[in-house]
Amino acid sequence: AQTVTQSQPEMSVQEAETVTLSCTYDTSESDYYLFWYKQPPSRQMILVIRQEAYKQQNATENRFSVNFQKAAKSFSLKISDSQLGDAAMYFCAYQHSWGKLQFGAGTQVVVTP
Amino acid sequence: DVKVTQSSRYLVKRTGEKVFLECVQDMDHENMFWYRQDPGLGLRLIYFSYDVKMKEKGDIPEGYSVSREKKERFSLILESASTNQTSMYLCASSSTGASEEAFFGQGTRLTVV
Repeated sequence: AQTVTQSQPEMSVQEAETVTLSCTYDTSESDYYLFWYKQPPSRQMILVIRQEAYKQQNATENRFSVNFQKAAKSFSLKISDSQLGDAAMYFCAYQHSWGKLQFGAGTQVVVTP
Repeated sequence: DVKVTQSSRYLVKRTGEKVFLECVQDMDHENMFWYRQDPGLGLRLIYFSYDVKMKEKGDIPEGYSVSREKKERFSLILESASTNQTSMYLCASSSTGASEEAFFGQGTRLTVV
């Protein structure tokens, strides 16, 4: 069974600063996908960034980037130049082939002016 | 604009009632999912479906059943609601393939009294 662990229940960051959210996962598979999803107070879950396990290059999307360490089964999210609109719950997720998309417990990001 | 629509945003039901949560997607997606979201536990998969009339148990299927008679609609059924099923329920859909982004509904906050 795959498990996804997010060990930080809450992270606080000042506007314009950088924050890194950690995620580890457990799997015996070699081919899979990892995601970070954002859930703002509106509850609408949206995709932030995705990473294919077979790609060594870390994914980036504007101010969001990941540090993917396959051997360590680690997948952290870095938010640069934080903005008030980044305040949300962030979920790390794992998916192998089709089927189960599994999530971690989430990290609440608080952005202070 | 892609859309996953859940029939109710808030729902209050009595213990022992049979409860139906409906989810409709307009993207012709093969995969549909039902998750339960609780603080500190993240999103836990209840059931998923990869085709019409096909379903697979997730991590916490006890007390729930599902129905997928049409491709666009995936229903979650609480056979006899109990207070420990008070939670946020999220529906999601995705196209076939593990790399595909999942799209979420806005959630149904169910309270069982």
